[in-house]
This record gives sequence, C-alpha cells and structure tokens, in this order.
Amino acid sequence: AQKVTQAQTEISVVEKEDVTLDCVYETRDTTYYLFWYKQPPSGELVFLIRRNSFDEQNEISGRYSWNFQKSTSSFNFTITASQVVDSAVYFCALRSRYNQGGKLIFGQGTELSVKP
Amino acid sequence: GAVVSQHPSWVICKSGTSVKIECRSLDFQATTMFWYRQFPKQSLMLMATSNEGSKATYEQGVEKDKFLINHASLTLSTLTVTSAHPEDSSFYICSARGRGDSQAKNIQYFGAGTRLSVL
Repeated sequence: AQKVTQAQTEISVVEKEDVTLDCVYETRDTTYYLFWYKQPPSGELVFLIRRNSFDEQNEISGRYSWNFQKSTSSFNFTITASQVVDSAVYFCALRSRYNQGGKLIFGQGTELSVKP
Repeated sequence: GAVVSQHPSWVICKSGTSVKIECRSLDFQATTMFWYRQFPKQSLMLMATSNEGSKATYEQGVEKDKFLINHASLTLSTLTVTSAHPEDSSFYICSARGRGDSQAKNIQYFGAGTRLSVL
C-alpha cells in the first residue's frame, strides 16, 4: 500500500519566521516520485518540486528548500523568512513509477497561515 | 512551467441539468488527464484517469454514467456532470501529464478548478 502522511493539519506563523512542513510516505516500490504542490485560496494547485527516489540531494529554490531522506521516508519542505503570500494549503504527493496507473497519492495537506 | 486551462471557473445550475467542464493543456500534449473532486478543507479525491483516445478509468465509488469523461485529443478532456443534484456541488480540478518527450513528463500540472453549485 502507498500512503502519504502530513501530520500537521494547520500551522500559523508570523511573517519572517521559518517554517517546516513535514511529509512522511510509505511505499514498497524502489522507484517513485515525490512532489510538493501549493494551493492558494484561489484553488489552483501550483507545482513546486518533483524528486525521484534515486536523488537524495536536498534542493533549494529561493526561500524554499526540501529535505529528502529515504532512511526515514520523509520529504520535508522548509520556507525561510515566510511571507503573507506563502499562506496556502501545501500538499505532498507520491507517485509510484510502476503501480496504480501513475496516480498521485496525496497527503491530507497542511494549511499554512502567515500573519503580518 | 506547463499550463493547464480549465473552464468554467465557476458554474451555478439547476438540479437536473448537465454541466460540462473543459480541461486543456495549452503548451504541451497530455497523454493522460486526471479529474479530481475536492471538498472543503480536504485533500483531492481522484475521480478518474483518462488516456487520449481510450475510455476513462474510474475510481471505485465514482459513477461513470454520472460523470462522463471524454479525452478526445491530446490537449482536451471534458467532464460532464449529468443530471446534477445538490450533492454534486463541489470543487472539481483537472490535471494533465505530458508525454515522455515533453517538459511536462512525469509531472501533473493542474487547472484552476471549477466550483460547481447545484441549486
């Protein structure tokens, strides 16, 4: 079975604080992809990053960084110096390369509220 | 990134009528498109997967006669909610994944969603 768990339902921070969104996944496949999407209040899901299971390098993109650790099956997302515009629901997702028709398995999402 | 256009963004209709939602990949060819439903404060629920030129594969519990999906071309998929009822009111989102030689390979790009209200 495949599963994605985002244990944090809601997080509230004050602007300029750093915040980490946790994502833990389960899969028996050795080849898979992990994703993060942002869903602002407007509703559209915005693709942020894709990481494949063979690439454990951490990635930084501006204020965003991702920490992928296969040993703990985690793919955490950190926003540095958060801004009000970062307020959104963030989804972590998993896709196996070979199973389930390539469907994305989503976590329940973490609602981030950044207050001025 | 790749762009997926979804129309309409919101629609209000009377109970018993049918509503069609369009999903287009604007700058890439989408071999596979997905339709999701999202309830307030919840995650996305996959309704069906469609590959161009073939019948859609519906998830368990989704009525195929209720939610008609057509993926007639590599850039267009439509979802028709037939004989809509108030319980069909929801946020519907499509996504598209590109061919292996495209920039959208292995990544699902999402439309902006359609908010359906059935009176």
